[in-house]
This record gives sequence, C-alpha cells and structure tokens, in this order.
Amino acid sequence: AQSVTQLGSHVSVSEGALVLLRCNYSSSVPPYLFWYVQYPNQGLQLLLKYTSAATLVKGINGFEAEFKKSETSFHLTKPSAHMSDAAEYFCAVTRGGYQKVTFGTGTKLQVIP
Amino acid sequence: NAGVMQNPRHLVRRRGQEARLRCSPMKGHSHVYWYRQLPEEGLKFMVYLQKENIIDESGMPKERFSAEFPKEGPSILRIQQVVRGDSAAYFCASSPPEGNTEAFFGQGTRLTVV
Repeated sequence: AQSVTQLGSHVSVSEGALVLLRCNYSSSVPPYLFWYVQYPNQGLQLLLKYTSAATLVKGINGFEAEFKKSETSFHLTKPSAHMSDAAEYFCAVTRGGYQKVTFGTGTKLQVIP
Repeated sequence: NAGVMQNPRHLVRRRGQEARLRCSPMKGHSHVYWYRQLPEEGLKFMVYLQKENIIDESGMPKERFSAEFPKEGPSILRIQQVVRGDSAAYFCASSPPEGNTEAFFGQGTRLTVV
C-alpha cells in the first residue's frame, strides 16, 4: 500500500519569498509521485511528476520537486512566490502507472502581498 | 481537443433522491477514474473503469453507489437514495490505454444533498 503525508494544511508566504510545501511518502515499491494544483472550484492540474528518472523534477509555473529516497520525501519548491500561486496543492503517489492515485490531504498556499 | 467533461457542474438533490454524474473522457482515452473530495479533505479514489469493465472498485461504498463506462457514451457515477454525507465534489479523470501516461482531471461535479 502507498500513502502520502502533507505537513501543514495551510502555508502562508510573502510575495517573492520561497515556497516550500512538504510531502512524505510511504510505498512498498518504487513509487510514482506527483504534485497537483487545484484552484477554487476547479479540477486538478498536474504540476510535475516523478517516475524513477531524474530525482530533481521541474514542472510548470516555476515549480520543482526533489525525490529523496533516504528521507522518503518529495517536497515542492518555488524560488519566488507570485500572487497567482495561491491555491491548494496536493501531493500524490501511485505504485506505478497512473491508476488508483492516492492523494494527500492538501496544503492551501496563501500568498501575502 | 476538449478536456475531460463532467456534467452537471453543480447538482442539488433532496435526501432519498438519485444522483447521476456524467463524465466524458478525453478523445482517445479508454480509462476512467472517479474520485470523491469531501470538504477539507483530499481526493479519495472510488473506482477505476475501462470500457465496459470495472477494473478496481475498492474505494466504492458497498451500498447505493455504482459506476459504469459503457461502450458508447459517458461514464456514469450513480448514487441512489442520497444522504447528506454524500455531499462532496466528485472528480473524474481519464487516461489513454497506454497505461503510463498521466490522467487528466475534469472540473468536477459538486453534489449538495439538502
């Protein structure tokens, strides 16, 4: 079985500051890991994905995440927050392929002007 | 190429009524997944379907819920005799038959049971 834990249900950063959203995973097999973003009343949009290739993954909108097996982590970062980054972010895992993705409980990012 | 289309976007039902949620996958996609998002919670997997087959329904409640993906037409998530606890956002995602390609999500159907 696989699962993800997102630390912090709400994160606030100032515009221009570093964004760091934390995710730790648990998986009995090498995982596929994802970060999704959800804007209010919208569906989910894939930000980036790790599928056992490069451990540093770059995604859309300037986000990136690093897979660290020793720490079982897949934290999401962005060097400089924009107001438009305010949304809810979900970390997700699957054991391979894209079936039956397991989501974390989400982190709501607030960007303060 | 239209994305995953879900309708209706908002659905209000009285307790005891039936709710039918529709999902039209992206063109060329034969895999459909349904997820439920309860308030202040993440998305929970419900069911994974391929054309005319239920592959994995381990996340479906044992009673009142059913899903289908017929050869022709959209996938349907059906909830019979709705209760207040069924109020949630229901998301559909689809992926192509190749397997190792990302799933694309629809905008969801927000069900409110009054």
